[in-house]
Amino acid sequence: NAGVTQTPKFQVLKTGQSMTLQCAQDMNHNSMYWYRQDPGMGLRLIYYSASEGTTDKGEVPNGYNVSRLNKREFSLRLESAAPSQTSVYFCASSTERLAGTGELFFGEGSRLTVL
Amino acid sequence: QKEVEQNSGPLSVPEGAIASLNCTYSDRVSQSFFWYRQYSGKSPELIMSIYSNGDKEDGRFTAQLNKASQYVSLLIRDSQPSDSATYLCAVMPSNDYKLSFGAGTTVTVRA
Repeated sequence: NAGVTQTPKFQVLKTGQSMTLQCAQDMNHNSMYWYRQDPGMGLRLIYYSASEGTTDKGEVPNGYNVSRLNKREFSLRLESAAPSQTSVYFCASSTERLAGTGELFFGEGSRLTVL
Repeated sequence: QKEVEQNSGPLSVPEGAIASLNCTYSDRVSQSFFWYRQYSGKSPELIMSIYSNGDKEDGRFTAQLNKASQYVSLLIRDSQPSDSATYLCAVMPSNDYKLSFGAGTTVTVRA
């Protein structure tokens, strides 16, 4: 029972390099999210996808792009990485629009360092 | 002003004591409130939800909500070393379905 799977778990980039974080869920959830977590800042929403075929900006979208490839997969792309994007990235999924339950199911996180 | 504010801690309590965590929020129309627990190096997991004023108990955990004061709290009774973690307060506005998280309060339970 995998739940939410993120890859890679660790990545080191140089400034200006690009990369894609992959996320897949097997819980048949409609909604998927990308958060970043920084010390003292809590979890901040980067982008989300309420359902397949839709994506919307969250609180901190600058420097990122997303693709909802299908119902299972939601990827996050950094086109030109900057040191300010050094963070732990979490993918999460939920029933459609959280269905009032507030329950997000998180992946294990991807630790990204940009030098 | 951040939407959701928490004392960052760390909060250190002896084993068996009550740990009290506080959270305030700025959006008066918020209707749904949640507590997530995050162990070091792990991902957050939902432990409590509360939607109406008053107390809600689940085992050793009690969530308290006061919408007039825009305040939500979490009490951990009979604290155990396994409760050592960061606790994240999350709020969902009534007109939206995204969660806003506080920065979290780190709790350490001393054996």
